[in-house]
Amino acid sequence: VQLVETGGGLIQPGGSLRLSCAASGFNVSTNYMTWVRQAPGKGLEWVSIIYRGGDTYYADSVKGRFTISRDNSRNTVYLQMNSLRAEDTAVYHCAREVIVAVGADAFDIWGQGTMVTVSS
Amino acid sequence: DIQMTQSPSSLSASVGDRVTITCRASQGISSYLNWYQQKPGKAPNLLIYVASRLQSGVPSRFSGSGSGTDFTLTISSLQPEDFAIYYCQQSYTTPRTFGQGTKVEIK
Repeated sequence: VQLVETGGGLIQPGGSLRLSCAASGFNVSTNYMTWVRQAPGKGLEWVSIIYRGGDTYYADSVKGRFTISRDNSRNTVYLQMNSLRAEDTAVYHCAREVIVAVGADAFDIWGQGTMVTVSS
Repeated sequence: DIQMTQSPSSLSASVGDRVTITCRASQGISSYLNWYQQKPGKAPNLLIYVASRLQSGVPSRFSGSGSGTDFTLTISSLQPEDFAIYYCQQSYTTPRTFGQGTKVEIK
């Protein structure tokens, strides 16, 4: 069971990037999948989630600029990032959010992350 | 959004010490509180969920308690591999939010 993120890199402000998160050992279609980012030397920031039914939610800091999606046939989750800003510079982790008790979830599987650097 | 505040931000301790980290939510979150450990250059690792339940494979020296707005993570006897950053996270509502982290360093 693992998650592997790809797609990070150096991008100019205002540019776009698409991150991928390939899952193995479980199906992304039957799980809640999230993106969490970590700016250099900083803490963890929740970014977005896609639920089993396809509903999506975003942090206010990325709403309207980022889009989460999934391809069930590839067992992969994506994060399309547009209008990138310097403050989006971070390691982006995808994580599986599982139901651990009635009404309670936790991030039990994490990828190692992919670095996104927004700079001119 | 629910704000999560951890204290202290960092602490120095010796191997064998008992360590306690606190996490406070800006509003009641019942027991929907998780704890993670992160080592340098690694992804976070789930330690405790629903405030007090130990994730499979996590040593029993880790324990959690609390409900409502105040929570604690305790390491009963600090081991060399426990030096890391610890984060609390609420799963009561979306957006999920994390505490700012507590760095546990070697004294």
